[in-house]
Amino acid sequence: EDKVVQSPLSLVVHEGDTVTLNCSYEVTNFRSLLWYKQEKKAPTFLFMLTSSGIEKKSGRLSSILDKKELFSILNITATQTGDSAVYLCAVEAGDSGGGADGLTFGKGTHLIIQP
Amino acid sequence: DVKVTQSSRYLVKRTGEKVFLECVQDMDHENMFWYRQDPGLGLRLIYFSYDVKMKEKGDIPEGYSVSREKKERFSLILESASTNQTSMYLCASSRGGEASIEQYFGPGTRLTVT
Repeated sequence: EDKVVQSPLSLVVHEGDTVTLNCSYEVTNFRSLLWYKQEKKAPTFLFMLTSSGIEKKSGRLSSILDKKELFSILNITATQTGDSAVYLCAVEAGDSGGGADGLTFGKGTHLIIQP
Repeated sequence: DVKVTQSSRYLVKRTGEKVFLECVQDMDHENMFWYRQDPGLGLRLIYFSYDVKMKEKGDIPEGYSVSREKKERFSLILESASTNQTSMYLCASSRGGEASIEQYFGPGTRLTVT
């Protein structure tokens, strides 16, 4: 059974701090790992990491994928109160025919940024 | 543990067919959601529901409808399937009220329309 584990489950920091969110996985036929930011309505897509793109950066957010050790981290520098959200990690697995087999989500990290 | 189940993991339908995707959650959650996931586009919200018999359009509702006759069940309907609706469909649920941020996802249904 595919498994995605995120840590910590919750995190409270002060504005301006840097945070690192962790995601480890065990899946058969790994295809990609995705990070989402989830606020009130729906998750917002952040990054997709595959074997051909193991490091991504967008503004204060960056993410790396370690396919050997089977984990990814999401870094947020100079945090702001607007970064408060649940951050979801999901892993897409492939089927034996080379197609996608579905997404397995972690439980998320609830990040709270205090002013 | 919350369990969200979807009726099929894989589905192949022909253009023009009416397609039903079923989602059931067992934690008495008020909120339920239908998304589609496409490569490079992330997760996009189709419809959601905050209560029985209640529905609201998400970001991409065209070509879809939903039904929520019971609290635990949320159905996504493709009235006349088209090839551009080939996608991974994900259902999710969450508690109502201010604690509704955390959503629990089902395993997904990969729909292919030929």
